[in-house]
Amino acid sequence: GNSVTQMEGPVTLSEEAFLTINCTYTATGYPSLFWYVQYPGEGLQLLLKATKADDKGSNKGFEATYRKETTSFHLEKGSVQVSDSAVYFCALRGLKTSYDKVIFGPGTSLSVIP
Amino acid sequence: EADIYQTPRYLVIGTGKKITLECSQTMGHDKMYWYQQDPGMELHLIHYSYGVNSTEKGDLSSESTVSRIRTEHFPLTLESARPSHTSQYLCASSDVRGQAPYEQYFGPGTRLTVT
Repeated sequence: GNSVTQMEGPVTLSEEAFLTINCTYTATGYPSLFWYVQYPGEGLQLLLKATKADDKGSNKGFEATYRKETTSFHLEKGSVQVSDSAVYFCALRGLKTSYDKVIFGPGTSLSVIP
Repeated sequence: EADIYQTPRYLVIGTGKKITLECSQTMGHDKMYWYQQDPGMELHLIHYSYGVNSTEKGDLSSESTVSRIRTEHFPLTLESARPSHTSQYLCASSDVRGQAPYEQYFGPGTRLTVT
C-alpha cells in the first residue's frame, strides 16, 4: 500500500540556517504530494504541493521538488526564521481520485533558535 | 482562505460523560474527515464522509461515532468518555469537485482531556 517516510525529529537549527527535511514515499502510479505545517496550538495548513514528476512546489520561502526517480519530495528552505518553528508533515494522495485517502508521514518537529 | 471551525478548542471532562465535538465548514466541501493526533504528533484517520448521509470508519478503530446530516456539519460524539480518549482531535474537509490534488483544509483542533 501507499506509505510516507520522513526524517525523525526533533530538528533544531539556528536562525538563518539551511533546512532540509527528507521525505520519501511508496505508491503506485503518480500520487499527488504535499507538505503541511502545524504551528503550536493550531491545525494543519497546506504549505505546498506538487502533482507530477519534476513539479516544484513553493511557498513562504519553502520549496520541494517531486522526484519520481528517487520517490522523494524533500522540503528545503534557504534561511529559516524563529517563526518557522512548527511540525512539518509530508503527505500523499494516490491515484488522483477524490476517493483516495491522504497518507500522512509521522511529522518532523522543527525548532529554530535565535 | 479556509473556513473550517471546531468547538470547543479545549475540553476537560470526567470519565463516563457524553461529549460532542463540533466541526463546521463554510466552503461547501463534500468530503470531511476526523483525525486523532497522538502526543507523538502522528495523525490517525478515525472517520470520514463523502457527503450527506455518508459516514465511514477510518484506519484507526475508535469508539466515537459521527453523523453528516448537513453538508457543512460533521460532529463527533463519544457516548462515554474514558481517559484513553484523551487526545487532540482534528477535523478537515476537501473539495472533491474538479481536478486533483484535492488538498485538505484543517480546523484548529479540539484538545480533549478525560479525567
